[in-house]
Amino acid sequence: EPEVTQTPSHQVTQMGQEVILRCVPISNHLYFYWYRQILGQKVEFLVSFYNNEISEKSEIFDDQFSVERPDGSNFTLKIRSTKLEDSAMYFCASNPVSTDTQYFGPGTRLTVL
Amino acid sequence: SQQGEEDPQALSIQEGENATMNCSYKTSINNLQWYRQNSGRGLVHLILIRSNEREKHSGRLRVTLDTSKKSSSLLITASRAADTASYFCATDASGGYNKLIFGAGTRLAVHP
Repeated sequence: EPEVTQTPSHQVTQMGQEVILRCVPISNHLYFYWYRQILGQKVEFLVSFYNNEISEKSEIFDDQFSVERPDGSNFTLKIRSTKLEDSAMYFCASNPVSTDTQYFGPGTRLTVL
Repeated sequence: SQQGEEDPQALSIQEGENATMNCSYKTSINNLQWYRQNSGRGLVHLILIRSNEREKHSGRLRVTLDTSKKSSSLLITASRAADTASYFCATDASGGYNKLIFGAGTRLAVHP
């Protein structure tokens, strides 16, 4: 069964450094999302992406964040200058045209020191 | 903004018992989805119920939706130790392809 994949599974970085989190959505899906979950807290929406542009973003998704679909398979989240409070699990999700069900990847645990 | 809020926050039961988790939300929705998360892992989609549906079944799962009370329940029958996980409801207000708003989750522990 096709799955959303994410790399790396764990990323450790120093405060102020740039990180890129990578996702490969399911191949026939057209809608892509990033969510994050700070340890012990709710899963929070960051951004949705369709037709090569952002369709919606949350207040969390400020100028330090950007998303890109550089080719036909990858979907990336970049944090330009990481802060301690960016430490969280980041989930990528996707869904096809035919269903509202969002399929989540296994997540990338980002630790900012 | 809408929110899904689950109760109880934590539930501890014995194998074979049924587990019921509830979710409430604040605004009109198009659908409500339930997800499971094993400790520190990804989110696994369990079931989606649309606003015009009242009940849905999938294996040992039964979900109900009461739009007049803005609430949903997830029932897991004949629970197993492997059902131990956190369970989240997530609401979608705008008819698909849009953000999900998650609740805080219910931590379920099933003891052998």
